[in-house]
Amino acid sequence: DGGITQSPKYLFRKEGQNVTLSCEQNLNHDAMYWYRQDPGQGLRLIYYSQIVNDFQKGDIAEGYSVSREKKESFPLTVTSAQKNPTAFYLCASRAGGGSYEQYFGPGTRLTVT
Amino acid sequence: GESVGLHLPTLSVQEGDNSIINCAYSNSASDYFIWYKQESGKGPQFIIDIRSNMDKRQGQRVTVLLNKTVKHLSLQIAATQPGDSAVYFCACMNRDDKIIFGKGTRLHILP
Repeated sequence: DGGITQSPKYLFRKEGQNVTLSCEQNLNHDAMYWYRQDPGQGLRLIYYSQIVNDFQKGDIAEGYSVSREKKESFPLTVTSAQKNPTAFYLCASRAGGGSYEQYFGPGTRLTVT
Repeated sequence: GESVGLHLPTLSVQEGDNSIINCAYSNSASDYFIWYKQESGKGPQFIIDIRSNMDKRQGQRVTVLLNKTVKHLSLQIAATQPGDSAVYFCACMNRDDKIIFGKGTRLHILP
């Protein structure tokens, strides 16, 4: 079954703790993306990676970190420096080259109290 | 900075009528445009896309129109059905591979 998975679906953390959200794809896609979505809002780009061992900041990277050690994995760490971390986090992948369609995972809803 | 915006946050349409959702973008260098559908609690689903060298593209019951002169994009859904009820996002991609999303339009289907 090919696709992009995120786990867990719901995540609860106490303020001041770092938390890592998982994103895995078995589509052999080169590019991967992390977005944040707040209620009633669009998706805002946090980080993206076009190739293994390389990534770029998006529009709201402050308080987040990523790694891309393997093609199929792009974990996102929400650090304690992120002032308002409660949100719905979406991961996406794209084949790259001449293919532009992004495939999204089911999302992780993070609640920090 | 660059932005992508939808004209209306919500749109109500009678079942069976056509729906038109509009979007404006700011970056004239955008060369690829996508429409997504998002149902509650799920990730967005790709609907249809269009390259900047085209002005119209049709899919199954959906049509995307691109007007580069006024930097405007629209999604037309023919014969709207209850299953079309969702939030619709337009997105633009530039040559740096960044994809910028609009805020979304919630489509309500009236019986």
